[in-house]
Amino acid sequence: DGGITQSPKYLFRKEGQNVTLSCEQNLNHDAMYWYRQDPGQGLRLIYYSQIVNDFQKGDIAEGYSVSREKKESFPLTVTSAQKNPTAFYLCASSIAGPGKRTEAFFGQGTRLTVV
Amino acid sequence: KNQVEQSPQSLIILEGKNCTLQCNYTVSPFSNLRWYKQDTGRGPVSLTIMTFSENTKSNGRYTATLDADTKQSSLHITASQLSDSASYICVVSGMDSNYQLIWGAGTKLIIKP
Repeated sequence: DGGITQSPKYLFRKEGQNVTLSCEQNLNHDAMYWYRQDPGQGLRLIYYSQIVNDFQKGDIAEGYSVSREKKESFPLTVTSAQKNPTAFYLCASSIAGPGKRTEAFFGQGTRLTVV
Repeated sequence: KNQVEQSPQSLIILEGKNCTLQCNYTVSPFSNLRWYKQDTGRGPVSLTIMTFSENTKSNGRYTATLDADTKQSSLHITASQLSDSASYICVVSGMDSNYQLIWGAGTKLIIKP
């Protein structure tokens, strides 16, 4: 079954704690992305990677970190520096770089809640 | 500033009826425009991708139109079904900023039996 798998589906974080969201794809896509979705707002880009061992900050990278050690995996760490982390996080991948009429495929999302 | 505005914010229609969702954008220079369907609590799924030269594109009961001169797009849904209840998001890609996608906030569509 090809696709993008995000885990966990729900995640609860205590204040001051770092948490890592997993994103794995078996589509052989070069590009991967992390977005944040808040109610009533469009998706906002956190980080993206176009190739292994390279990634770029998006519009709201502060308080987040990523790694791209393998083509299939692009984990996102939400650090304690992120002041308002409660949101729905979406991972996506595409064959080529962002936007060039290449279809982006999304995972099912992780809902992170600070308790 | 590159922006994508969608209207209405929400819409309720009866099953079997048609509806049209609107998208206005200020992204320039323009590369392509996409419509996504997002079910509650799920990731978005692509419906159409349109470039400058494409005025109309259909995907089953979904038909998207694009007027690149006025920077407007619409998504028309024909003979709505209960499964069409979802958020519909317009996304525009510009040629600068490394082709980043600019996301609209979406229109929440509810189909009532």
